[in-house]
Amino acid sequence: QKEVEQNSGPLSVPEGAIASLNCTYSDRGSQSFFWYRQYSGKSPELIMSIYSNGDKEDGRFTAQLNKASQYVSLLIRDSQPSDSATYLCAVISTGANSKLTFGKGITLSVRP
Amino acid sequence: DGGITQSPKYLFRKEGQNVTLSCEQNLNHDAMYWYRQDPGQGLRLIYYSQIVNDFQKGDIAEGYSVSREKKESFPLTVTSAQKNPTAFYLCASSTTGPVRPQHFGDGTRLSIL
Repeated sequence: QKEVEQNSGPLSVPEGAIASLNCTYSDRGSQSFFWYRQYSGKSPELIMSIYSNGDKEDGRFTAQLNKASQYVSLLIRDSQPSDSATYLCAVISTGANSKLTFGKGITLSVRP
Repeated sequence: DGGITQSPKYLFRKEGQNVTLSCEQNLNHDAMYWYRQDPGQGLRLIYYSQIVNDFQKGDIAEGYSVSREKKESFPLTVTSAQKNPTAFYLCASSTTGPVRPQHFGDGTRLSIL
């Protein structure tokens, strides 16, 4: 069973701080990694994708991938109350008909 | 606007009844997916389809059925065999190339009467 694990939450940070969300995956051959944000009662929204080792920055968001250690992380700089949501890590594993495997998500709360 | 449309937004099912959830996309995506989300849980894959007239079971297909007669449409039927259908159902679509992030519809919330 290919697994994606996320830190047990919830995570609470003050406004303006850096929020660090981590995710590990079991399939060493995985090639594509995604972070989704899900507000309460809403559907997931894709916010970052990363495919090669290193960092990828998009505005206040930075995704970091380390394939050797099998982890992917999401950093949110200058956290805002509007960032309060559940963040889902998702991985496309290897094999025929590769499917997205989701972690259970971590809930982030940004305190004003 | 291009996107994925799920309907209805809320649905109630009586005991012994089959209900069908609609999912339509105009993104010209080949692949479509159905997920179930329970409170505090991640998304679990029910069925997926990578091409018209073909679909595969996901991790929790029992009690569900799908069809893919058109590229744009991938309806999900929750049958009476699904004894615990109360959940948030999400439809997604993607391309089938090597880089294929999935994009989601707004979801259907199903409850038992």
